[in-house]
Amino acid sequence: SAVISQKPSRDICQRGTSLTIQCQVDSQVTMMFWYRQQPGQSLTLIATANQGSEATYESGFVIDKFPISRPNLTFSTLTVSNMSPEDSSIYLCSVEEGQYGYTFGSGTRLTVV
Amino acid sequence: GQQVMQIPQYQHVQEGEDFTTYCNSSTTLSNIQWYKQRPGGHPVFLIQLVKSGEVKKQKRLTFQFGEAKKNSSLHITATQTTDVGTYFCAGSGGSNYKLTFGKGTLLTVNP
Repeated sequence: SAVISQKPSRDICQRGTSLTIQCQVDSQVTMMFWYRQQPGQSLTLIATANQGSEATYESGFVIDKFPISRPNLTFSTLTVSNMSPEDSSIYLCSVEEGQYGYTFGSGTRLTVV
Repeated sequence: GQQVMQIPQYQHVQEGEDFTTYCNSSTTLSNIQWYKQRPGGHPVFLIQLVKSGEVKKQKRLTFQFGEAKKNSSLHITATQTTDVGTYFCAGSGGSNYKLTFGKGTLLTVNP
């Protein structure tokens, strides 16, 4: 299965600032997915990132708040902009691998103070 | 939109007891997947079920997909402390490749 390197693994940020999370995959993939997991909760899809086109955002998530880049088939970034304490969460990238399900990065644990 | 309900939310067992978590979708699914997330970790894929009535086994874990492809279960026989974690079901429906996750069942095992 694919190996995903995600960083940073954790960060503590001041409100009003922005954080960019990076995911590097060891193989070329068409779609990459970004999820948010609030403490003790399930995973919520933020957006789907395709190479060469704008990301597709789910209801409740907007590009101005969560801009995504997908410059090539192995890399993507998610930025959490103008952060507030409500953005404190774990952010995960993932790729789909057919019958082998989804492979997730190790996650970024974000605390906004 | 598609909703996936999962129960129970928590389950505490003695080591050696069995454990089952149940998943129910509001719509017919094309497939259902199961993931395990250890405390502090990220979700790890366990299995995918595609066919109506399908049953798959992985050692002490048994996965079932309902006949109507709207429900699923994960059963663990004789739990061990290494089984501790949150088990999520996740379904996708029709031409929609997106996964909808259940809320998960947190399993704790008392040695």
